[in-house]
Amino acid sequence: GESVGLHLPTLSVQEGDNSIINCAYSNSASDYFIWYKQESGKGPQFIIDIRSNMDKRQGQRVTVLLNKTVKHLSLQIAATQPGDSAVYFCAEFHFTGANSKLTFGKGITLSVRP
Amino acid sequence: GAGVSQSPRYKVAKRGQDVALRCDPISGHVSLFWYQQALGQGPEFLTYFQNEAQLDKSGLPSDRFFAERPEGSVSTLKIQRTQQEDSAVYLCASSVTRATEIPYGYTFGSGTRLTVV
Repeated sequence: GESVGLHLPTLSVQEGDNSIINCAYSNSASDYFIWYKQESGKGPQFIIDIRSNMDKRQGQRVTVLLNKTVKHLSLQIAATQPGDSAVYFCAEFHFTGANSKLTFGKGITLSVRP
Repeated sequence: GAGVSQSPRYKVAKRGQDVALRCDPISGHVSLFWYQQALGQGPEFLTYFQNEAQLDKSGLPSDRFFAERPEGSVSTLKIQRTQQEDSAVYLCASSVTRATEIPYGYTFGSGTRLTVV
């Protein structure tokens, strides 16, 4: 069937290597950022988050870096595995009362070569 | 249930037909969101419910789109007189937090893929 990643930029990495996925966000007032992973036929799945008052946060095998000066977010995946192959989205959140919502960026397809 | 359930998984509609898409959120989740995901794009916000109240419908693309959550649990997204540009995956997400809080624990369903022919 059609992939959710069709037409998206693709990052191809060798299994075992580290992956770096980048995202430029738009709203300098955003308070909170999340990285999601989406596999074909499934909904986005939470990976890791970071508040705007932080510049780095680490999880299991993943690290998120935030550079507010240039409005840039990155996701680093250590020792990439075939199961990491998916589309990755960054999302930003800005508190605006009842109209607060997550806004997703353009996704990137990660393809892991065995 | 353990996750957000959406039905049907796939829907093919003839142009002009009305469709109804169902979302069963995680029990007890206050917030429910609908997103539209076109092929090769990120999800785009459609509407938000806090319990049974629809607090934000700013993302609904036209008055052909209507959503409800009458008892604060199950939600239905209805699209009237479907057009080809409505073809997309419709995602539902629920959260224990309100939209005015940090969006911890958004859980997305697998979506309904709508194809209008």
